[in-house]
Amino acid sequence: NAGVTQTPKFQVLKTGQSMTLQCAQDMNHEYMSWYRQDPGMGLRLIHYSVGAGITDQGEVPNGYNVSRSTTEDFPLRLLSAAPSQTSVYFCATRLAGGYNEQFFGPGTRLTVL
Amino acid sequence: ELKVEQNPLFLSMQEGKNYTIYCNYSTTSDRLYWYRQDPGKSLESLFVLLSNGAVKQEGRLMASLDTKARLSTLHITAAVHDLSATYFCAVDPYNNNDMRFGAGTRLTVKP
Repeated sequence: NAGVTQTPKFQVLKTGQSMTLQCAQDMNHEYMSWYRQDPGMGLRLIHYSVGAGITDQGEVPNGYNVSRSTTEDFPLRLLSAAPSQTSVYFCATRLAGGYNEQFFGPGTRLTVL
Repeated sequence: ELKVEQNPLFLSMQEGKNYTIYCNYSTTSDRLYWYRQDPGKSLESLFVLLSNGAVKQEGRLMASLDTKARLSTLHITAAVHDLSATYFCAVDPYNNNDMRFGAGTRLTVKP
């Protein structure tokens, strides 16, 4: 089992470009989330999903879109990249129920010039 | 607004010493999570604390939860260099996957 995979590992964008960060899991977990990690600020929740077809906004959703058409995939779209979106992005998954640990992907390091 | 505060944010300790990291949160939650992150790596789950008074131990780390005080502690016993990492606490008070993290405690254990 691959667990949680993220692609790409690194990405450089120019301001105004759009792109999609991919997240896939093979653990059949209902819950999936996207976080960004900036120095000194811990992890901040961008969007999350509790199942296919269901998504919701987290703490810092502006500038990002998500969709969840399958249990396995949860892509994060940057609509028009800005330098403030330079960060490390982590995808995480867990079983539903609230009593289960999260499993994190390896992360995507994004730089917006 | 839900806030999760950790202290200290930076901790430098000698090998063999004991220390405690604190995690306070502002909204009632009966579950709390601790994670470890090594530099340049992803996060790894350490503990899931599910009720008031819960205590879990793994090696030199022990975590506890006091839901009435909205406080969790991560105690380090006889620190070793391998424990050097950043430690995060997180809460999901509404049990809906809207999880919020503290800023993290960067621990450095020196020989």
